Amino acid sequence: GAGVSQTPSNKVTEKGKYVELRCDPISGHTALYWYRQSLGQGPEFLIYFQGTGAADDSGLPNDRFFAVRPEGSVSTLKIQRTERGDSAVYLCASSFVDTQETQYFGPGTRLLVL
Amino acid sequence: RKEVEQDPGPFNVPEGATVAFNCTYSNSASQSFFWYRQDCRKEPKLLMSVYSSGNEDGRFTAQLNRASQYISLLIRDSKLSDSATYLCVVNLNQAGTALIFGKGTTLSVSS
Repeated sequence: GAGVSQTPSNKVTEKGKYVELRCDPISGHTALYWYRQSLGQGPEFLIYFQGTGAADDSGLPNDRFFAVRPEGSVSTLKIQRTERGDSAVYLCASSFVDTQETQYFGPGTRLLVL
Repeated sequence: RKEVEQDPGPFNVPEGATVAFNCTYSNSASQSFFWYRQDCRKEPKLLMSVYSSGNEDGRFTAQLNRASQYISLLIRDSKLSDSATYLCVVNLNQAGTALIFGKGTTLSVSS
């Protein structure tokens, strides 16, 4: 079956611009996670959705970052006033329920802020 | 101190070698443990879960020592295709907790 998909695969933007990154989880998965992976580092947690609600957003670095999942399926990560330090790979993962199930990762969106 | 720490690597080994990766975690409340594999410019993929009794999957053996908060991965008879970054991962298994990743250790197997 189809895995987690993310679009765009690559995004280049200029400092100060707004970007949206999209994640389409595996059908039926209620839990959705966003992670950020900087070069040479492991992925770091940003936010977790259970259904439509953000159950844990403690990993969001500041208020420029926001994510939604209005219908409990597709999620969008939104970054306002992008900074060069936001450059990273943004990974989305989903699972059937929360932490008890294996998380399946999408291919990620590589964001480069110039 | 990072929550999950791994050997810095990289590990460069010939085909057929045995290689071991070590990892320590700081939160004693951690309940689930995993090794993920990440190929260059690809997403992480679950390699294997790690259990207290130790577990084996073909050439791969994982061990967990809860008292020492230590996790290991042993790869026997290394193949060229084993070249990748290996990520040590824990989670608290509580509602809303995410996976906590180490920085990863890069393995390069050469012929």
